[in-house]
Amino acid sequence: GDSVTQTEGQVALSEEDFLTIHCNYSASGYPTLFWYVQYPGEGPQLLFRASRDKEKGSSRGFEATYDKGTTSFHLRKASVQESDSAVYYCALSDRDSNYQLIWGSGTKLIIKP
Amino acid sequence: GPKVLQIPSHQIIDMGQMVTLNCDPVSNHLYFYWYKQILGQQMEFLVNFYNGKVMEKSKLFKDQFSVERPDGSYFTLKIQPTALEDSAVYFCASSPLKTGANTEVFFGKGTRLTVV
Repeated sequence: GDSVTQTEGQVALSEEDFLTIHCNYSASGYPTLFWYVQYPGEGPQLLFRASRDKEKGSSRGFEATYDKGTTSFHLRKASVQESDSAVYYCALSDRDSNYQLIWGSGTKLIIKP
Repeated sequence: GPKVLQIPSHQIIDMGQMVTLNCDPVSNHLYFYWYKQILGQQMEFLVNFYNGKVMEKSKLFKDQFSVERPDGSYFTLKIQPTALEDSAVYFCASSPLKTGANTEVFFGKGTRLTVV
């Protein structure tokens, strides 16, 4: 079945550092890929999505490019701020998942002031 | 933006008792969902609901679970009887259309259920 793998359980950075959170997926079809952000005490919010190979999603300075060749959708931000501290989830949906969201395990981003 | 409201934010209940979690979805949305998140773990789909019926459910949606939305009021998740392993944060979500490439799902803040 479909799955999403996030290798980093936690990332700790300083303000203005460059961020990469890795996301790899496994799907037999052609999934739509998502990044969600969850702030403390809140539900997940959609950051952005991408549906086609090489499509770039972006929002609030975060971006990720759909790469079918490497089955990846890594999240990047050039300069993080303390307000970016949250848990970031990669997710996918496709016909095989009956269009339900399949979630990665999440990556907690800690930004030290 | 659109808000999904969940009531209560935290519920503590004795094992074996019944609990009802309430959700007020976004007003013009047609699809409703419950997700379960055990502390520190990933979100897991429980069930989705459309037009008064359960459309899909996962293996986590045990026989003790039920959902309904009587007459457009709260969308509820009922657990009867509760078990210790039901302790988790339960997120309600809604979307205008079925999940897919062009549909955004909006989540509530969750209800933290503690079964003791």
